[in-house]
Amino acid sequence: GQQVMQIPQYQHVQEGEDFTTYCNSSTTLSNIQWYKQRPGGHPVFLIQLVKSGEVKKQKRLTFQFGEAKKNSSLHITATQTTDVGTYFCEGAGSYQLTFGKGTKLSVIP
Amino acid sequence: EAGVTQFPSHSVIEKGQTVTLRCDPISGHDNLYWYRRVMGKEIKFLLHFVKESKQDESGMPNNRFLAERTGGTYSTLKVQPAELEDSGVYFCASSRWAGGHSGNTIYFGEGSWLTVV
Repeated sequence: GQQVMQIPQYQHVQEGEDFTTYCNSSTTLSNIQWYKQRPGGHPVFLIQLVKSGEVKKQKRLTFQFGEAKKNSSLHITATQTTDVGTYFCEGAGSYQLTFGKGTKLSVIP
Repeated sequence: EAGVTQFPSHSVIEKGQTVTLRCDPISGHDNLYWYRRVMGKEIKFLLHFVKESKQDESGMPNNRFLAERTGGTYSTLKVQPAELEDSGVYFCASSRWAGGHSGNTIYFGEGSWLTVV
């Protein structure tokens, strides 16, 4: 079945440094979603990527979908303490939705 | 350790019938969440159990949905009677600590696909 690997599991950065999390699927995806979960909160939808090679930006966040639609990344430029949380990807394949295990981001002021 | 398990993985039922989805969280996890993903849309929160108590059920769409968590262990989500718009993927997730513990990690199950025809 479809598997989605997300790395790293944890990332500690100094405030102002950049951060990137990666998701790799064992199968070609139809689309991929990214979510952010604050400590104690629920996953909140960030964005959906559908097209091969797609790049979308939301302020300091840049999302990419690979050409083969099997990998994706979320990059945060100049992290802030408000970026703390766990970032999940969710890959949608043929009749299968799979969450990555998440990357927990800590930002040191 | 075993992950969050959900049953059934796929279910096809007729409009008006009843379906019960089951979730077994990771052993020892106090928090249990139900989410729904309607195809083409993002995941939506349904409700949150802390042990056997409903902490937040603000996402439950209507009274055709009933969730229970027996003895703070596994949980069931019953849809009765099912309607066409209930089709989607129902995800269960669990995390260990109650409250806003900063160390909490949420683990998702593989989802239960429900198709109402």
